[in-house]
Amino acid sequence: SAVISQKPSRDICQRGTSLTIQCQVDSQVTMMFWYRQQPGQSLTLIATANQGSEATYESGFVIDKFPISRPNLTFSTLTVSNMSPEDSSIYLCSVLTGFNYGYTFGSGTRLTVV
Amino acid sequence: GEDVEQSLFLSVREGDSSVINCTYTDSSSTYLYWYKQEPGAGLQLLTYIFSNMDMKQDQRLTVLLNKKDKHLSLRIADTQTGDSAIYFCAIISDSWGKLQFGAGTQVVVTP
Repeated sequence: SAVISQKPSRDICQRGTSLTIQCQVDSQVTMMFWYRQQPGQSLTLIATANQGSEATYESGFVIDKFPISRPNLTFSTLTVSNMSPEDSSIYLCSVLTGFNYGYTFGSGTRLTVV
Repeated sequence: GEDVEQSLFLSVREGDSSVINCTYTDSSSTYLYWYKQEPGAGLQLLTYIFSNMDMKQDQRLTVLLNKKDKHLSLRIADTQTGDSAIYFCAIISDSWGKLQFGAGTQVVVTP
């Protein structure tokens, strides 16, 4: 299965600022996925990022708040814009390298907004 | 869309078996996974089962799938303190391979 390097691993940010999270995969993948895990909650899909096209956002998530880049088949970024304390969560990227292997997840970015 | 439900908490004694349950709503679900999340860590894939299987065993882990009742379970034999974690069931049920997670079951193993 794939190996994902995600950074930063954690950050404390001031409200109103933006943070960009990066994910690097060790193999080429068609789709990358971005998830949010709010404190004590399960994972919620934010968007699906395909190389060469606009990301597809899930209900409740918009591009202005969570812009995504996917410049090639091994890399993606998620920006959390104009942050508020409600954005404090763990953000994870994920790829599907085959149904037998399931989804592989990055180690997550623990974001605290103060 | 798919709804996936799990009980939220399970306490088990070290050496006993743990059984974590999951129910889902979409009968077209194809791939069903169990993930483990330890404190401060990402998600680790434990095991999976295809919808055309009833059971899968992998060392201490046994997955049972009852398609009629849309019920999935994970049994951990000889539970150890290192098994303390949150366990998520996650299901693929659409052609995009979009993964729907349950709320997670926190397993606490006591000596």
